[in-house]
Amino acid sequence: DTAVSQTPKYLVTQMGNDKSIKCEQNLGHDTMYWYKQDSKKFLKIMFSYNNKELIINETVPNRFSPKSPDKAHLNLHINSLELGDSAVYFCASSGTGSAIEKLFFGSGTQLSVL
Amino acid sequence: GQQLNQSPQSMFIQEGEDVSMNCTSSSIFNTWLWYKQDPGEGPVLLIALYKAGELTSNGRLTAQFGITRKDSFLNISASIPSDVGIYFCAGPALGNTDKLIFGTGTRLQVFP
Repeated sequence: DTAVSQTPKYLVTQMGNDKSIKCEQNLGHDTMYWYKQDSKKFLKIMFSYNNKELIINETVPNRFSPKSPDKAHLNLHINSLELGDSAVYFCASSGTGSAIEKLFFGSGTQLSVL
Repeated sequence: GQQLNQSPQSMFIQEGEDVSMNCTSSSIFNTWLWYKQDPGEGPVLLIALYKAGELTSNGRLTAQFGITRKDSFLNISASIPSDVGIYFCAGPALGNTDKLIFGTGTRLQVFP
């Protein structure tokens, strides 16, 4: 039933490790996103994919690598985790055309780097 | 880059009170959106505004698109405990409508 689902919900790991967050949407949307929410609750876009093609790549360290195997999935892999990577990561999707306002978010993955 | 500043940063109110919050920018936005984030969840769209001066309601929520296109307001009437959460304004970046810029958020706490 869940429109945008991401796993895991919580991720606790040591500095230097590599981890992945998975995201799937069953809305038939063409565009998917990753947003980062910091400890002050500020939400910022990281990446956007349209039909498996990267269209937005904000100033994000190249330790972060999104991968879209198909238009329903957008995974986020993070190498060599740092303390500053601790945040809540949200996956989102939107439909085609001028549907940016119809942005559906997942429930987030809280990443804690120790 | 474009920024959206919200005020107040936090509000603590009693159930039944009305709430007003606003969002301002130094640059123009062509669409204004208001989202609510419940604890432990992602933001959910409440209201979308498309035209300067537009006033739109969604139940107890009313939002306005400022005439200058540089601000927007959200009002909640007769607040209830489930209104608790963080309210974000947002708008598509000029020149890149696939990129949604979010405001700094207003955290609302409602006491019974």
